[in-house]
Amino acid sequence: AQSVTQPDIHITVSEGASLELRCNYSYGATPYLFWYVQSPGQGLQLLLKYFSGDTLVQGIKGFEAEFKRSQSSFNLRKPSVHWSDAAEYFCAVGPYNTDKLIFGTGTRLQVFP
Amino acid sequence: KAGVTQTPRYLIKTRGQQVTLSCSPISGHRSVSWYQQTPGQGLQFLFEYFSETQRNKGNFPGRFSGRQFSNSRSEMNVSTLELGDSALYLCASSLDGREQFFGPGTRLTVL
Repeated sequence: AQSVTQPDIHITVSEGASLELRCNYSYGATPYLFWYVQSPGQGLQLLLKYFSGDTLVQGIKGFEAEFKRSQSSFNLRKPSVHWSDAAEYFCAVGPYNTDKLIFGTGTRLQVFP
Repeated sequence: KAGVTQTPRYLIKTRGQQVTLSCSPISGHRSVSWYQQTPGQGLQFLFEYFSETQRNKGNFPGRFSGRQFSNSRSEMNVSTLELGDSALYLCASSLDGREQFFGPGTRLTVL
């Protein structure tokens, strides 16, 4: 079955610290992988995506993610977190050429000054 | 270019009623998808429309339906509302079926 697992429900970091949010997926074919961010009461904003090619992808707001096929993982990283990064982060996987995304349960990020 | 717009932003209904939500995609986007977001079930795919045809459907009861018009605008309808239908309903549009842009959502409360 196709699924996305985000093992960490809630993460707390200090401002300026590094961040890694974990994402593991189960998917039969080559997946398209996404990270989205959602602020309270808002829709989802795309941070970055992986379709093919270089396994380290750069996104907006200083985020990056690395696709590791052998580990079925697509972890999100940021070297230095800002207070404005506090939000909920969703990893998602989708098939080629359709918009049917499967989302993980999300990781809520809290940032302390 | 304007983003995805959803109307209304907030709705309160009572059990047994029906509701229609509207979504206007980004200009030029022909694909529109709908998702339901609840604290218990998270983000779940409802359906996807492309050029007025339903291309994919999630695992929801027949009370949930949708359609897409020739201008790519989409509506979703929920009939015979239940308390469990209270959720944030998100619409997303895409140009090429790969990168989706989400609207702010419609918050539906069923009393």
